[in-house]
Amino acid sequence: EPEVTQTPSHQVTQMGQEVILRCVPISNHLYFYWYRQILGQKVEFLVSFYNNEISEKSEIFDDQFSVERPDGSNFTLKIRSTKLEDSAMYFCASIGLAGPLGQFFGPGTRLTVL
Amino acid sequence: AQRVTQPEKLLSVFKGAPVELKCNYSYSGSPELFWYVQYSRQRLQLLLRHISRESIKGFTADLNKGETSFHLKKPFAQEEDSAMYYCALRAAGNKLTFGGGTRVLVKP
Repeated sequence: EPEVTQTPSHQVTQMGQEVILRCVPISNHLYFYWYRQILGQKVEFLVSFYNNEISEKSEIFDDQFSVERPDGSNFTLKIRSTKLEDSAMYFCASIGLAGPLGQFFGPGTRLTVL
Repeated sequence: AQRVTQPEKLLSVFKGAPVELKCNYSYSGSPELFWYVQYSRQRLQLLLRHISRESIKGFTADLNKGETSFHLKKPFAQEEDSAMYYCALRAAGNKLTFGGGTRVLVKP
């Protein structure tokens, strides 16, 4: 069964550094998402992406964040200058069609900012 | 704005006992509700969606628009049901809004 994959599983970085989190959505999916979960808190929506552009973003998704689908298979989340409060699990998700179907989630990347 | 509330952070039950996980939502439109499960060290997996009215792994959930609830139930809990359970609402635009999650611990 096809799955969403994410790399790396764990990323440790220094505050102020740039990080890129990578996701490979399910191959025929069209809608892509990033969520994050700070330890002990809710899973929060960051951004959705469709047809090569951002379709919606949350207040969390400020200018430090960007997303890209560089090659038709990867879907990346870049944080330009990480802050301590960016430490969280970051989940990628995808779905083939809009509508009442659940999104398929990747295993997550744990980002630790020191 | 939409909101999902799961009032219980932890539910501990004995094997064979019934379990009910509460989920309440607020949303001005017509909601689509889901339950996701996350087993230890695994990814979030879709368990149920209200539109399907299905039973998966013995779990059922009914959308009650009057009470704005989507509680998850299983009549006889099994040890393998121990996991984190998240209720989620899909609003316009496809993004999911999650509740805080309920950890279920099924004791032998």
